[in-house]
Order: sequence, then C-alpha cells, then structure tokens
Amino acid sequence: EAGVAQSPRYKIIEKRQSVAFWCNPISGHATLYWYQQILGQGPKLLIQFQNNGVVDDSQLPKDRFSAERLKGVDSTLKIQPAKLEDSAVYLCASTLLSDTQYFGPGTRLTVL
Amino acid sequence: QQQVKQSPQSLIVQKGGISIINCAYENTAFDYFPWYQQFPGKGPALLIAIRPDVSEKKEGRFTISFNKSAKQFSLHIMDSQPGDSATYFCAASISGNTGKLIFGQGTTLQVKP
Repeated sequence: EAGVAQSPRYKIIEKRQSVAFWCNPISGHATLYWYQQILGQGPKLLIQFQNNGVVDDSQLPKDRFSAERLKGVDSTLKIQPAKLEDSAVYLCASTLLSDTQYFGPGTRLTVL
Repeated sequence: QQQVKQSPQSLIVQKGGISIINCAYENTAFDYFPWYQQFPGKGPALLIAIRPDVSEKKEGRFTISFNKSAKQFSLHIMDSQPGDSATYFCAASISGNTGKLIFGQGTTLQVKP
C-alpha cells in the first residue's frame, strides 16, 4: 500500500511570494489533515477535510493560507503572501476510520 | 486546556539502557494517546497508542504507562538501540470528534553505542 505522497519536498521562496503544496493521501482515506511543524516543535493542525468538506480550520491563518480538496482525494495548501514565520515543514496526513493518522514526508518551506 | 506538555526536551541514553519520556495533559475528554516517532527528513510514524481503559500497553521494547488520575502518560523504551535515535512526540485526541491530534513539543533521543 502506497503511503501519503507530498510534493515538493523542499521549497525556498522570498517573503511576499506565493507557494503551493500538494498532497495525495492513502487510497480510500476520507479524512485528510494539513499540519505545520515549526523547527523544534510538535505538529500543529492547520486544516482537516472529511472527503471534500472542511471539518476544522480554526487554526488556519485565513488571511494568507488556503486549502482545497476538490474531488475528495488530492489536496493543495497555498500560502499567499508568505511571511518569514511561515518557514516550517508542512505535513499532510490521512486516515480511514480509525484514530491512526498516516503522515507523508512533508514539505520543508524556507522563506527568506 | 488543549495543551500536551512533554519532557524532557532531549535525552541521551547508553545502548541497552531505558529511555523514559513523559507527557501530561489537562483536557479530561482526551481518550486516545498515541506516540509518534520521527526520523530526520521523514514524517511522524505511529509507534504505539493507548486508551484510558488500560494502565499499560506493551509492544516489543516499547511500553506506554498511563495514569488517568494524574493525567499523565509515559513512553518507556527498553534495551534502547542506536536505531531508536529519533524525535518522539506524544499526542492526544478525542475519539469520535474531529480526530484532531494535539502534539507535545517532542523529545530528541540519542542512543549512544
């Protein structure tokens, strides 16, 4: 069974630029999560999808972050415009029905 | 009340020793407590998890001890190996809710050969 796929693995941008991350969850997993992991900290949930609907986006900075999961499979997370403090690893995770979340390798974003 | 506090921040153990990482929580509604292991450049991977109806769960060299009254849980790694060197995160969530995991700050474990 293929795991959660994410791309790109690394991205370096200037502040105020925009960036997008892509996630392909494990096949059949209805629930998809985006987490932000700042260096030296635990992952923090940004947004959760159940199929293509948003379940929880309470910690998503909506003035600059957006996410979509149009067909209930792949998802994209966008930042526009990026700030220095957005430098982090962005992790995508998915789950079927259990509590176990399966994480992708993450995208490491550096904002200069 | 949504926080999970983890300690220590870093830990150095000799090969064959016991590694112990502790976590504490406030929200009594939490009912699922997983531990994740993360290697550099990789995403976190589930190591072991426990629910509050048991006080201990063991899988191989890894054991979770759970103290519901104290709202604390800990990970014990017996016979620690250099390959166990990684960052460990405790987490908590409410089953049947959104499943949102609240993570601790992480513990970087180094096992010296």
